[in-house]
Amino acid sequence: EAEVAQSPRYKITEKSQAVAFWCDPISGHATLYWYRQILGQGPELLVQFQDESVVDDSQLPKDRFSAERLKGVDSTLKIQPAELGDSAMYLCASSPRPGTGVETQYFGPGTRLLVL
Amino acid sequence: SQQGEEDPQALSIQEGENATMNCSYKTSINNLQWYRQNSGRGLVHLILIRSNEREKHSGRLRVTLDTSKKSSSLLITASRAADTASYFCATESTGTASKLTFGTGTRLQVTL
Repeated sequence: EAEVAQSPRYKITEKSQAVAFWCDPISGHATLYWYRQILGQGPELLVQFQDESVVDDSQLPKDRFSAERLKGVDSTLKIQPAELGDSAMYLCASSPRPGTGVETQYFGPGTRLLVL
Repeated sequence: SQQGEEDPQALSIQEGENATMNCSYKTSINNLQWYRQNSGRGLVHLILIRSNEREKHSGRLRVTLDTSKKSSSLLITASRAADTASYFCATESTGTASKLTFGTGTRLQVTL
């Protein structure tokens, strides 16, 4: 069964350092999402891509976070510089193109980030 | 921002009992979905109910939706230890195709 891949699974970094996370969605899925999940809370959307275009990045802290999906396939989320409050689980999800009748999202295993 | 709030925040039951968790949300929706998350892992989709549906079943899961009260409930019947996880409701608001807003989650513990 096809899965969303994420790496690394765990990342420990010091504040002010740069970190990057990678996501490879299910093949053929046009929509890709990055979420941040703080311990004990639900996921919050950071950025949504449709193919290579950003559809929604209203909750992305753009002074330090950036995301790209250059060829409309895999994606990278970067934080520079990392702050203590960025410690969280970063989840990637994908879904088929809107209008296909499949509205569910498929999640990867996540990257657990700890900023010291 | 979180769209929904779930109740209870935590639930502990014995194997074989039924578990009910509730979700309230704030805006008009296209659909509401429930996801499960095992500790430290990604989310897994369980069931989707559309705004024009009132009840849906999938195996041991039963979901209800009351759009007039902006609320939903998830019932897990005959629970098993393997059902231990956090459960999240997520809403797709009208006018926001493919965008989900998640609730705060219910942590379910099923003991033997």
